[in-house]
Amino acid sequence: DAGVTQSPTHLIKTRGQHVTLRCSPISGHKSVSWYQQVLGQGPQFIFQYYEKEERGRGNFPDRFSARQFPNYSSELNVNALLLGDSALYLCASSFFSGDNEQFFGPGTRLTVL
Amino acid sequence: GQQLNQSPQSMFIQEGEDVSMNCTSSSIFNTWLWYKQDPGEGPVLLIALYKAGELTSNGRLTAQFGITRKDSFLNISASIPSDVGIYFCAGPTDSNYQLIWGAGTKLIIKP
Repeated sequence: DAGVTQSPTHLIKTRGQHVTLRCSPISGHKSVSWYQQVLGQGPQFIFQYYEKEERGRGNFPDRFSARQFPNYSSELNVNALLLGDSALYLCASSFFSGDNEQFFGPGTRLTVL
Repeated sequence: GQQLNQSPQSMFIQEGEDVSMNCTSSSIFNTWLWYKQDPGEGPVLLIALYKAGELTSNGRLTAQFGITRKDSFLNISASIPSDVGIYFCAGPTDSNYQLIWGAGTKLIIKP
């Protein structure tokens, strides 16, 4: 069975640009969560989506947005990129919202210059 | 807010040694999760704990849910080179929609 997949694997952008990151959950999982991981730290929660609805949002500015599609895949969008947005963006899937056993993809490494 | 504190921050061990690390919080958690992250990859779930006092094993790994529900411990027996990586503890917040994470314990095996 395929695990969580994310694309692209690496991305380089400049300040002010926007970026779209994509995630496909494990087959049968209906919930997708997004995390930001800065080097040397644990992941920080950004969003959780379940059945196409936002179920939770972390302490991130409105420049961050996301959505979930009918096939349960998800996109994370970040506008007006700042240098501080450089990080590994992780997607995790689980069967349902509130299911604490989350399974992670390999992440997208975003570098903002 | 809820925070998780992991210790030690890093560990240098010899192959074959046993390893112990822990995670503490000032808040009560109803679930404790232990993940391992290798360089350039996403975290992998190792063990999930759901009940105070619970002791759960996964091969050479054993984790315990502290009785106070404010701490958890992870032990690795007879370490091998592939155990190298960063070990994170995580737990759900009160809203249950998000996980909060410790800063990780980096395991390094001395040559």
